[in-house]
Amino acid sequence: DGGITQSPKYLFRKEGQNVTLSCEQNLNHDAMYWYRQDPGQGLRLIYYSQIVNDFQKGDIAEGYSVSREKKESFPLTVTSAQKNPTAFYLCASSIPPASQPQHFGDGTRLSIL
Amino acid sequence: AQKVTQAQTEISVVEKEDVTLDCVYETRDTTYYLFWYKQPPSGELVFLIRRNSFDEQNEISGRYSWNFQKSTSSFNFTITASQVVDSAVYFCAPPPIVAAGNKLTFGGGTRVLVKP
Repeated sequence: DGGITQSPKYLFRKEGQNVTLSCEQNLNHDAMYWYRQDPGQGLRLIYYSQIVNDFQKGDIAEGYSVSREKKESFPLTVTSAQKNPTAFYLCASSIPPASQPQHFGDGTRLSIL
Repeated sequence: AQKVTQAQTEISVVEKEDVTLDCVYETRDTTYYLFWYKQPPSGELVFLIRRNSFDEQNEISGRYSWNFQKSTSSFNFTITASQVVDSAVYFCAPPPIVAAGNKLTFGGGTRVLVKP
């Protein structure tokens, strides 16, 4: 079955450490997105990519980095510069027409040790 | 400027009551799509329905129904005879690329709590 796979489901980060969240899709979607969700809050866009080797900053890109070397993969690195990384991270993908919705992964919960 | 507003932050009902969620989408675009997503306590977002601005017919799918009024930019969602499994956060959102390009992504959504 086609879908989006995020891993790991739970992740713990030590102070000063970079961690990478994985997002893989086999839907053949061109566009991919990373969102952050804090408890009781909505989703805020971190980065998005409309095509391989290209990506744009969203609303809260500081302290995060991404790459899009393959169509099916869009990993997110939470760097040590992100001082409050504890949150729920959701990856999504979509195909270009504006008539199409996003498909979401199951999310990764990141906590600070 | 484009803006999505879900004014209700939380709605609490008793099982079998109907519940209506409001969404207002302000945009300069003359034609557009809107989407509703459901986020259950487990966390993943599930796509529920897509509606376009040139179709104002109500749509019904089981216990879910949607009413779209272009004149007021309102795209409302009703759950009839609510069940405990309907407890979730519901988000109204424009197309993802449109949202991202306009710095307009998901708002806080509306949390629905259905009590037995």
